[in-house]
Amino acid sequence: DTEVTQTPKHLVMGMTNKKSLKCEQHMGHRAMYWYKQKAKKPPELMFVYSYEKLSINESVPSRFSPECPNSSLLNLHLHALQPEDSALYLCASSQAAGAQGYNEQFFGPGTRLTVL
Amino acid sequence: AQKITQTQPGMFVQEKEAVTLDCTYDTSDPSYGLFWYKQPSSGEMIFLIYQGSYDQQNATEGRYSLNFQKARKSANLVISASQLGDSAMYFCAMRERLGSGYSTLTFGKGTMLLVSP
Repeated sequence: DTEVTQTPKHLVMGMTNKKSLKCEQHMGHRAMYWYKQKAKKPPELMFVYSYEKLSINESVPSRFSPECPNSSLLNLHLHALQPEDSALYLCASSQAAGAQGYNEQFFGPGTRLTVL
Repeated sequence: AQKITQTQPGMFVQEKEAVTLDCTYDTSDPSYGLFWYKQPSSGEMIFLIYQGSYDQQNATEGRYSLNFQKARKSANLVISASQLGDSAMYFCAMRERLGSGYSTLTFGKGTMLLVSP
């Protein structure tokens, strides 16, 4: 199984709502990533989890709250978002750095988020 | 700091022709990895090809090949025999090893490729 799954595919939420994005992989990868991507721009790294511990937070506002309950699952909890947070949210996973291979990141299909 | 430059915002090619997408990079790290990803309009980032800084030969994967010129710090993607399904955004990215269990990617701005019949 070389797939990263993300749910939901689309999400529309109001600025007072609380919602969560879910990401799952069963490739045994120990690094997982959240990216935000605006239209016609490259992905921007938000968070990195390594061995279920938060390793990088790229100064992301606290209205985005990541969670890694186990090695296969990564969540992004959303609360009190702003319209400018509307974007494609991509999850990715990779082998632990130092493992054999390219260490490429495998991406999920993304969640298209619209904040009204 | 690492930097990736893709100077072509858009490229047009006719079906069955070859096309080259440009990528230059800058890094002070002697050990690095370069990736190309394809992103169709559906949104998923699809890994295409990888080139390591110490690899002696240019990488190839089916219709994709990487023209790696280390001295010029360029890693151009060559797509042979373009197909309509190749129409997508293409990103060049460089790996940066940051921690014991993970590495991050620095992306270029991307090149939108349109393949016409």
